[in-house]
Amino acid sequence: QLQLQESGPGLVQPSETLSLTCTVSGGSISSSSYYWGWIRQPPGKGLEWTGNIYYSGSAYYNPSLKSRVTISADTSKNQFSLKLTSVTAADTAVYYCARLDNTVTTGFDYWGQGTLVTVSS
Amino acid sequence: QSALTQPASVSGSPGQSITISCTGTSSDVGNYNLVSWYQQHPGKAPKLIIYEVTKRPSGVSNRFSGSKSGNTASLTISGLQAEDEADYSCCSYAGISTWVFGGGTKLTVL
Repeated sequence: QLQLQESGPGLVQPSETLSLTCTVSGGSISSSSYYWGWIRQPPGKGLEWTGNIYYSGSAYYNPSLKSRVTISADTSKNQFSLKLTSVTAADTAVYYCARLDNTVTTGFDYWGQGTLVTVSS
Repeated sequence: QSALTQPASVSGSPGQSITISCTGTSSDVGNYNLVSWYQQHPGKAPKLIIYEVTKRPSGVSNRFSGSKSGNTASLTISGLQAEDEADYSCCSYAGISTWVFGGGTKLTVL
């Protein structure tokens, strides 16, 4: 059974960089059948797609965040990571990592449990 | 890239049917048959319940169905049950390997 687990600091200072890692078990992030993504959800608000990375290393970002976000992958550790620079209180959210199936469902079919990141001094 | 538009809340009684709309533009919902729907219970991660507008993943009840007309996609839940009370979000492919979600709809089962 595929499992995804987010990890990283729960508190980030304003103007600093938010860094999260998603560890995948039960499957390989090197498969050409999937993208691996980050989706966030501010408290009491809707989901917001942040970006995806493909096994080739190609990354795609939400245009509204593109200047501040980087998604990378470490295939040797079966992990992918999110970095968001110059954070403000508006970046406070539950951050989910998820798998985007590129072949069967074309949907985000597996999700991590989510991790709350608060931006505050 | 603007969020897809969903009603903030809908409600229905057990056994009834409800429909949640998801309105986008000709650049996302209207241009691709790549709309998915997610169910999210409080404090839990979203769960994929509809993909490619009308298809259900294995294990999802056939009480959930999806459709699309023009720039608006819809999720219908028939035979409402108490366990259906949750937040529902739509998502659409928006081109150039980007995706956009809706603002979410809270379903209350009366």
